[in-house]
Amino acid sequence: QVQLVQSGAEVKKPGASVKISCKASGNTLTRFAIHWMRQAPGESLEWMGWINTGNGLTAYSHRFTGRVTITRDASANTFYMSLNTLRSDDTAIYYCARDSASYLFDLWGQGTLVTVSS
Amino acid sequence: QSVLTQPPSVSGAPGQRVTISCTGSSSNIGAGYDVHWYQQRPGTAPKLLIYGNNDRPSGVPDRFSGSKSGASASLAITGLQAEDEADYYCQSYDNSLTGSGVFGGGTKLTVL
Repeated sequence: QVQLVQSGAEVKKPGASVKISCKASGNTLTRFAIHWMRQAPGESLEWMGWINTGNGLTAYSHRFTGRVTITRDASANTFYMSLNTLRSDDTAIYYCARDSASYLFDLWGQGTLVTVSS
Repeated sequence: QSVLTQPPSVSGAPGQRVTISCTGSSSNIGAGYDVHWYQQRPGTAPKLLIYGNNDRPSGVPDRFSGSKSGASASLAITGLQAEDEADYYCQSYDNSLTGSGVFGGGTKLTVL
């Protein structure tokens, strides 16, 4: 049974960067992709990007181009999402999710709250 | 502003049937891409409820069903129960710009 376990909450100042991890426990995910989404307080979900767990290829939402980077440590079955030049409106819960069939998110991490405040 | 449009809220009494609509466009649902639905209870991560327009993952009651027609989709919940009170999100793929996952704005279901 695969689980996605994310790193803990972060508090950052405007202009800083944050890096969140998502570790897959159980079976490996080499046949899947990992996507990152976020959810601002009281808002809907927003797709940010994804990484191919096998070859490391990535794609990002145009809304975050230049600010977001998704990486992997294949040996540790761990995936990372970095967001730089943080603003107050980046305050949100960030989720990783497994893609089992072309943008079908069948397994989610528990979420990581990122608070951006001066 | 979400790419997919959902009603902000719906409500129903226990045992009743409710539906939640999800309207897209020619670059997402209308282009033939599948619609998936997620249930999110307060303080928890979204959970896959319906995939591929009308299929249920193992463990999801058959009270939940999905449908799709043209550029729109719907989620139906029959025999409403108190535990169904949650936020519901539709999701699809959009082939405009760089291509991306797109979500609806979410619908808050209240069980009266």
